This record gives sequence, structure tokens and C-alpha cells, in this order.
Amino acid sequence: NAGVTQTPKFQVLKTGQSMTLQCAQDMNHNSMYWYRQDPGMGLRLIYYSASEGTTDKGEVPNGYNVSRLNKREFSLRLESAAPSQTSVYFCASSEGGVWMDDEQFFGPGTRLTVL
Amino acid sequence: QKEVEQNSGPLSVPEGAIASLNCTYSDRGSQSFFWYRQYSGKSPELIMSIYSNGDKEDGRFTAQLNKASQYVSLLIRDSQPSDSATYLCAVKGNNRLAFGKGNQVVVIP
Repeated sequence: NAGVTQTPKFQVLKTGQSMTLQCAQDMNHNSMYWYRQDPGMGLRLIYYSASEGTTDKGEVPNGYNVSRLNKREFSLRLESAAPSQTSVYFCASSEGGVWMDDEQFFGPGTRLTVL
Repeated sequence: QKEVEQNSGPLSVPEGAIASLNCTYSDRGSQSFFWYRQYSGKSPELIMSIYSNGDKEDGRFTAQLNKASQYVSLLIRDSQPSDSATYLCAVKGNNRLAFGKGNQVVVIP
């Protein structure tokens, strides 16, 4: 049982390049989330998915797109990377719906640098 | 006003002492409150959740909630070097979790 996995662990991009961050969970959770964490800013929600086939914007969605490919996988895409998107990205999942108070389990994170 | 505020700077405590962390929130309708621990370079992990006013104890950790004053706190008793980490306060509202910036705790042996 691997929990929440993320790939890649590290990535360096040039401004304007695109990439997709992958996230998968093997806990049969319904809800999945993408956060970014910046020094002095805390964790901020980018997008979330309450169930397969549904996605919603979080606090900072601009410059990102997401896909809930199936119940296990939730990907985050940067179409044209900008230096402001340099951050640590965490994927998380929770068993119930986003309206429930159950624990969110976090993946190990992807450290992204945009030059 | 930011949704969840943790204003204290890094907290240094001697081993065996009590570490006290505070958090205030702006949404009066919030019903669920969480404390996450994050070691340097690692992902957050849940250590406490609290939903009603008063104290909730779990081992060496005690969470305290006061909805009227809109604050939640975390006490770490008998602090150990392994407690050295950043502690994130999180508040649930509008179907999403809002996090504070975190408080770094350093336990000095």
C-alpha cells in the first residue's frame, strides 16, 4: 500500500515549457487535491476533485489545468510555465467527499523550479 | 484578513518542556480544525483534529478550540527532539481546507 505517490520528485523547466505532474493513490479515496507550498505563504489549494470526472478551482488555479483520469489518478498540467510557478507541489487525497472532515493524506511532493 | 493566521515566529523549547502554538481564523462558520506536522523536506501529516469547543488530548498532544474567540491551539507536552518540525493549522470551510503559514518548533536537547 503506497498511499499517495507523485512523479517526478524534482523538475527544472524553462519559462514557457509545459509539463504534467502525476499523482496516484491506492487507498480507493474519492477526493483528490493539488496544493502548492511557497515559503511564507503556506499551503494553497490549486484544484480539487470530489469524484471521478469532476474538478473544481481552488484558491490559486490560474496557469494550471487538471484531469481526474480515473478514481486513482489526478494530474496537474502547466501549459506555459512561469518563474512564479516555482514551488513545491503536493497532491493529497481523502476518503470521503470534499464536504467531509476526514483526513487528507499527502504525497511526497514535487519540487519544481522554473528558470 | 487572512483566513488562518499563525503569527508566532520560530519557537525554541528545551527538551521535556511544553510547546504552545496558537492559530486564529476568520470564518465564524468553520466547524472543523486540524493540526498537521511537517518535517523539513517532507509532506504534512495529520496529528490532531478537533470539532467542538474545549480540549482534546492524544498522547502528548492537546488541541484546544474556542469558537467564540475563533482560535485553536496545540500543546505539546514533554517535548522531544523528534517534535522539531513545522506545525500547520488548518481550518475547514466552504468544502476546502485553509492552511496557516505554519510555526516552526525546535526542541533543544
